[in-house]
Amino acid sequence: SQTIHQWPATLVQPVGSPLSLECTVEGTSNPNLYWYRQAAGRGLQLLFYSVGIGQISSEVPQNLSASRPQDRQFILSSKKLLLSDSGFYLCAWGPAGGGEQFFGPGTRLTVL
Amino acid sequence: GQSLEQPSEVTAVEGAIVQINCTYQTSGFYGLSWYQQHDGGAPTFLSYNALDGLEETGRFSSFLSRSDSYGYLLLQELQMKDSASYFCAVRAPSSGYSTLTFGKGTMLLVSP
Repeated sequence: SQTIHQWPATLVQPVGSPLSLECTVEGTSNPNLYWYRQAAGRGLQLLFYSVGIGQISSEVPQNLSASRPQDRQFILSSKKLLLSDSGFYLCAWGPAGGGEQFFGPGTRLTVL
Repeated sequence: GQSLEQPSEVTAVEGAIVQINCTYQTSGFYGLSWYQQHDGGAPTFLSYNALDGLEETGRFSSFLSRSDSYGYLLLQELQMKDSASYFCAVRAPSSGYSTLTFGKGTMLLVSP
């Protein structure tokens, strides 16, 4: 069966500091991978998606970036965090062409 | 772009039936998904409708009418554990692939 891991679970960072969140998937090959952000009490905003190694599509221009160095690894980064980057960051995987996505446990980021 | 409308909150009692509606406007459409999210947790996939009609999975059913740009999630024999937020999401074309756009969510409160 497929499993998706994210870490850390919670993170408190000062404004201007860098960020690196990692997501890995087990039990599947060549998945589509996604990064979402959810503000408190809000819906999910798609940030990046990837259909293969080194292929990244950005949905929202901002100070975040994503990379996919391996088939089942997806990394979300920032060089300098802003207060507005606070939120619940969720990684998800899904089969190509399918309507279902499966989410990791998420990272709750607070930027102070 | 895509936009989705769903009620912000619905209340019901244990054992009842509740319907959560979702209307959407999209440029291109592949299907409609539903997700459940308990407070503090990650979303979990419930159902995906690509064709018109009703799909039943246990106590949950999902309906789609492509001509009306409308769908709903039906929850039967409500239990306290069904108290959660429910999101509809449209799968639509994006830069040669497809992505999900989520609604803002409906909070379902089930009372004894």
